[in-house]
Amino acid sequence: ELKVEQNPLFLSMQEGKNYTIYCNYSTTSDRLYWYRQDPGKSLESLFVLLSNGAVKQEGRLMASLDTKARLSTLHITAAVHDLSATYFCAVVLDFLYMNYGGSQGNLIFGKGTKLSVKP
Amino acid sequence: DAMVIQNPRYQVTQFGKPVTLSCSQTLNHNVMYWYQQKSSQAPKLLFHYYDKDFNNEADTPDNFQSRRPNTSFCFLDIRSPGLGDAAMYLCATSRAHEQYFGPGTRLTVT
Repeated sequence: ELKVEQNPLFLSMQEGKNYTIYCNYSTTSDRLYWYRQDPGKSLESLFVLLSNGAVKQEGRLMASLDTKARLSTLHITAAVHDLSATYFCAVVLDFLYMNYGGSQGNLIFGKGTKLSVKP
Repeated sequence: DAMVIQNPRYQVTQFGKPVTLSCSQTLNHNVMYWYQQKSSQAPKLLFHYYDKDFNNEADTPDNFQSRRPNTSFCFLDIRSPGLGDAAMYLCATSRAHEQYFGPGTRLTVT
């Protein structure tokens, strides 16, 4: 069974500070996703990491993937209030569709990290 | 342009009264998913389709059913909603490495 663990689950930061959210998973997967969710809203895709050593950056957020360690990190640089949200990592569990002879990835989510950035 | 559309955005139903949530997509993706997300929890996969090849997760309650009459539309039927079924229901489509989520339907059970 694939398990995905995020930590911390709650993070209160001051504006301007840096911090890292960690995502560990239990079995081999070559794809990892990071999503942002604002209260009452759907999931917004932030990053898709497709290979070992992948690093992607967008604004104050940078994500990396180490498939050998089964670890992804989401690094926040110089946090601002607008980054307050819940962040989920999700790992792909491939599902084989027998009738089609192909597979598709189902997402297994971590519990999420609720980030609060305070002035 | 909206790519994954869910209707209604908010649904209130009574305990035990059947309810249907709908999802449509303009992406022509073969794969569609339904997720349930309860308050302060992660999304949990209920069902997924590759075209009409249907698969439900082992722990999806029998009270939940799904239909996919064509590529564009997918429905989630809850036959007898209980208070514990109150949640946000997210529809998603997928092709290759990307999953595209709809805006969700928030279900309230009174």
